Amino acid sequence: EAAVTQSPRNKVAVTGGKVTLSCNQTNNHNNMYWYRQDTGHGLRLIHYSYGAGSTEKGDIPDGYKASRPSQENFSLILELATPSQTSVYFCASGTGISGNTLYFGEGSRLIVV
Amino acid sequence: GQQVQQSPTSLVLQEGENAELQCNFSTSLNSMQWFYQRPGGSLVSVFYNPSGTKQSGRLTSTTVIKERRSSLHISSSQITDSGTYLCAMSNYNVLYFGSGTKLTVEP
Repeated sequence: EAAVTQSPRNKVAVTGGKVTLSCNQTNNHNNMYWYRQDTGHGLRLIHYSYGAGSTEKGDIPDGYKASRPSQENFSLILELATPSQTSVYFCASGTGISGNTLYFGEGSRLIVV
Repeated sequence: GQQVQQSPTSLVLQEGENAELQCNFSTSLNSMQWFYQRPGGSLVSVFYNPSGTKQSGRLTSTTVIKERRSSLHISSSQITDSGTYLCAMSNYNVLYFGSGTKLTVEP
């Protein structure tokens, strides 16, 4: 069974603080993705990666950095958190082969106050 | 970015009724997928359907590439079908999602 694990599952951060969302996958998939989900917007792609050491910008990368130190781990970093980054964040992994589906984590709920 | 539009935004059914969910996309694509998201939870793939019609149990997906649309038909709805259904179009390695249709099935 494919497994994508996110941490923390819930986080309250202060404006201007640093937040790191972590994602671990045991699928040995090359590709990993970070999305955020907000009411009325569906899932929007923030950053993605083709493998260890690679990060690519998605549709809404501003205010976010990403890090892929290994095949298994992909982190999303908010250096200076803002209230507009309050959202639910989903990590996913996939093989990258056309037509192959993504496997999602359970989501990380972030509130920035 | 890519544009994926879903309709309706929400749908309330009585148990046993059928549902038809629509997805339209603005550009050409490699593939189309449908995902189910349980309330407050994660997403799981229910259909990969780049073209034509596919059926799995009570679910049927039809994708017409030339018309840039895909539909998901749920027959004889059950309370456990409640949740949000999202379509996603694939452009090579990246999936772009619609906003979803929230389905509520009542007894």
